[in-house]
Amino acid sequence: DAGVIQSPRHEVTEMGQEVTLRCKPISGHNSLFWYRQTMMRGLELLIYFNNNVPIDDSGMPEDRFSAKMPNASFSTLKIQPSEPRDSAVYFCASSGQGEATNEKLFFGSGTQLSVL
Amino acid sequence: GDSVTQMEGPVTLSEEAFLTINCTYTATGYPSLFWYVQYPGEGLQLLLKATKADDKGSNKGFEATYRKETTSFHLEKGSVQVSDSAVYFCALKSWGKLQFGAGTQVVVTP
Repeated sequence: DAGVIQSPRHEVTEMGQEVTLRCKPISGHNSLFWYRQTMMRGLELLIYFNNNVPIDDSGMPEDRFSAKMPNASFSTLKIQPSEPRDSAVYFCASSGQGEATNEKLFFGSGTQLSVL
Repeated sequence: GDSVTQMEGPVTLSEEAFLTINCTYTATGYPSLFWYVQYPGEGLQLLLKATKADDKGSNKGFEATYRKETTSFHLEKGSVQVSDSAVYFCALKSWGKLQFGAGTQVVVTP
């Protein structure tokens, strides 16, 4: 299995531009999570989906952030317009449905976002 | 709300030294507890977990025991290696999602 795949690995953009981060979860996993990691705030859960449906988006910072999961194998996190304070590493993670796996998150390698 | 608090880093120690990273939790019920590890440039990986009081999770020489009386889940390893240099996160499962601590960086020198 290829694991959770995120793209791009690095993104450098200018303030005001739209940024789209992509994630492909592990095949068969039914939960998907978006996290943001910064030195100041640590690892923050932004939103998570279960069976492609957003369950909890209380961590999404503001309306500039949006996330979608159109099908079981793809999710996007969009920032529009981007701001320098959005600079962080964004992680996608997925987990399966069985009792043995639904507490274990599999993380992607992250997207390092820099907004200038 | 439910949360975990872990010791600040960085923790710097020599190879073969004993490692302890303290983690305490606050929760209304009896959550499952986890330790995740993040190696440089990578995402987090599950290191070990415990689902109920007095359970001991173990993996790769690391251990942690779920202590309800002290609401703790301290991570220990008897003899660390340079390859154990990483950031370690304590976490609990609350309302279907994982709540992570701030992370503790561990640096092991030869």
